[in-house]
Amino acid sequence: DIQMTQSPSTLSASVGDRVTITCRASQSVSSWLAWYQQKPGKAPSVLIYKASSLESGVPSRFSGSGSGTEFTLTINSLQPDDVATYYCQQYSTSLGTFGQGTKVEV
Amino acid sequence: QVQLQQWGAGLVKPSETLSLTCTVSGGSFSGYYWGWIRQPPGKGLEWVGEINHSGDTNYSPSLESRVTMSVDTSRNQMSLKLTSVTAADTAVYYCARVRNNYGIAVALRDWGQGTLVTVSS
Repeated sequence: DIQMTQSPSTLSASVGDRVTITCRASQSVSSWLAWYQQKPGKAPSVLIYKASSLESGVPSRFSGSGSGTEFTLTINSLQPDDVATYYCQQYSTSLGTFGQGTKVEV
Repeated sequence: QVQLQQWGAGLVKPSETLSLTCTVSGGSFSGYYWGWIRQPPGKGLEWVGEINHSGDTNYSPSLESRVTMSVDTSRNQMSLKLTSVTAADTAVYYCARVRNNYGIAVALRDWGQGTLVTVSS
């Protein structure tokens, strides 16, 4: 199984800050990496797919980068609405594994 | 836009069987893989398994001995049964579309609303 490790587990920042979340895969997943945002009581929603492609309708302050085993999600100019938990997920294999999540607080 | 609507018992006794169903509307059911993902309270996301319209399945190794997934293509439905449940199976269970019509895994864009299943006597 491919293991996905996210850091940090919790992140506290101020409105307007630039925030970066890292995701590492235990082996290469090429660019088959998605980032999700999950708010309490809701299903996760896609922010980024294929490592760096912005999902339609997602604000442009969100961006993704990386390939192989190292990936980052960046939120430029953090907004109050960005308070949520963020997950990475590799989908290079079936039942693609998730990272453990990063809780972002403002 | 495809919609997934799920339902099932929210309270299950220990050692009994958890049962959930997910209906797909607004899009094609056949040709895709559909899956179940669960999330224990306050914790992360965990795969349960996936199934296609032909009934081909792929289960999480940690749950394989207790999981059965099935499909009813006439109703655009898939179902999950998890036997011999314990408190560790308490979670929100989500259904989702997990592969495209080429059988390739995709980012998970289409989710059910989630069902909290509590295992308690």
